[in-house]
Amino acid sequence: AQSVTQLDSQVPVFEEAPVELRCNYSSSVSVYLFWYVQYPNQGLQLLLKYLSGSTLVKGINGFEAEFNKSQTSFHLRKPSVHISDTAEYFCAVSDLNNNAGNMLTFGGGTRLMVKP
Amino acid sequence: SAVISQKPSRDICQRGTSLTIQCQVDSQVTMMFWYRQQPGQSLTLIATANQGSEATYESGFVIDKFPISRPNLTFSTLTVSNMSPEDSSIYLCSVEDGTSGRYNEQFFGPGTRLTVL
Repeated sequence: AQSVTQLDSQVPVFEEAPVELRCNYSSSVSVYLFWYVQYPNQGLQLLLKYLSGSTLVKGINGFEAEFNKSQTSFHLRKPSVHISDTAEYFCAVSDLNNNAGNMLTFGGGTRLMVKP
Repeated sequence: SAVISQKPSRDICQRGTSLTIQCQVDSQVTMMFWYRQQPGQSLTLIATANQGSEATYESGFVIDKFPISRPNLTFSTLTVSNMSPEDSSIYLCSVEDGTSGRYNEQFFGPGTRLTVL
């Protein structure tokens, strides 16, 4: 079984400031890692994913995340946020050995609130 | 990338009734998933729906309450049966797109916002 913990339920930040949204996971096997964003009243959109290779992953809208296997973390970062980044962010993992497809286990979500 | 639509986008229903949610994809996909997102919470997987086989339900979800159909590779339905206010949630379908080299990426529909009175 795997689990995902997003340590902060809400992160307030001023516009143009840097931000880090934290994500830790637990799994007995290797995993794929994902960050999704959900804007108000919309579905989920993939920001970025880590499948293999370089541990620093760049995604859309200027976001990036770093996979740290020893710390079982996959924190999301952006050097300068915009008002339009205000949304709910979800970290998710998928078990590489899952023969039933890419079933995602989601964290509890972090609400990013960007203030002017 | 796969484009997914859901119907209805929202509904308000009376307790004891049932609602069927439709999920349509613009390309053929093998794996489809149904999730529930309760108010202010994260997503929980209800079931995995593969064409030509019975849906596989996660712990805490049963077929009598959430029957699923998957008649072809582009369509699925989820029914929320005998609804109670506790079923008020957003229901999302997603697909795993393995047809264009984008394996392991899931695309989500816009969701169906259900309110049960």
